[in-house]
Amino acid sequence: KNEVEQSPQNLTAQEGEFITINCSYSVGISALHWLQQHPGGGIVSLFMLSSGKKKHGRLIATINIQEKHSSLHITASHPRDSAVYICAVSSNYQLIWGAGTKLIIKP
Amino acid sequence: EAGVAQSPRYKIIEKRQSVAFWCNPISGHATLYWYQQILGQGPKLLIQFQNNGVVDDSQLPKDRFSAERLKGVDSTLKIQPAKLEDSAVYLCASSLEGVKLFFGSGTQLSVL
Repeated sequence: KNEVEQSPQNLTAQEGEFITINCSYSVGISALHWLQQHPGGGIVSLFMLSSGKKKHGRLIATINIQEKHSSLHITASHPRDSAVYICAVSSNYQLIWGAGTKLIIKP
Repeated sequence: EAGVAQSPRYKIIEKRQSVAFWCNPISGHATLYWYQQILGQGPKLLIQFQNNGVVDDSQLPKDRFSAERLKGVDSTLKIQPAKLEDSAVYLCASSLEGVKLFFGSGTQLSVL
């Protein structure tokens, strides 16, 4: 079993829909990261969380430390949000990656 | 704030040649990562440095790959000799412990 599990693996939605991507982990962490990678592009860090909730524009990230679970939400989704979203956790000075969620937003 | 700098941006070599990549992390960031990302796959950690010490190099093919981080700042990743399957994007990232990750733009390597 992977230490960081993401779901869904693939997600296709219509423009304007509310998007949720989930991440569960089984190790002790000091931080959880949500990252975005566009096709052929570099990786951009969206959020770093150790507790609670963060919001940036249309993106919201939450984490429940007790349940070892985090969610990334996108409100009013847009085709430019199409990308791979990756959850990664910092644990014992190491970074453990989820497999990523490929999101496609159709116009 | 300057980001993570990587060079070159692109590199094309023939198999059995040598190649080196350079990374300059954000000033003050103790942790530096080198990742290999093959097209269509997620990043694979090659090596992680904490200052100038190696934390994890378990997935580094040590018969052909080497990396160093002199003085705990800049880092170089070398492949010698390169194989066709080394064609990938090589990403460098840095962070302070528990703080946001920053990625460089990557070096796209094509081995012909």
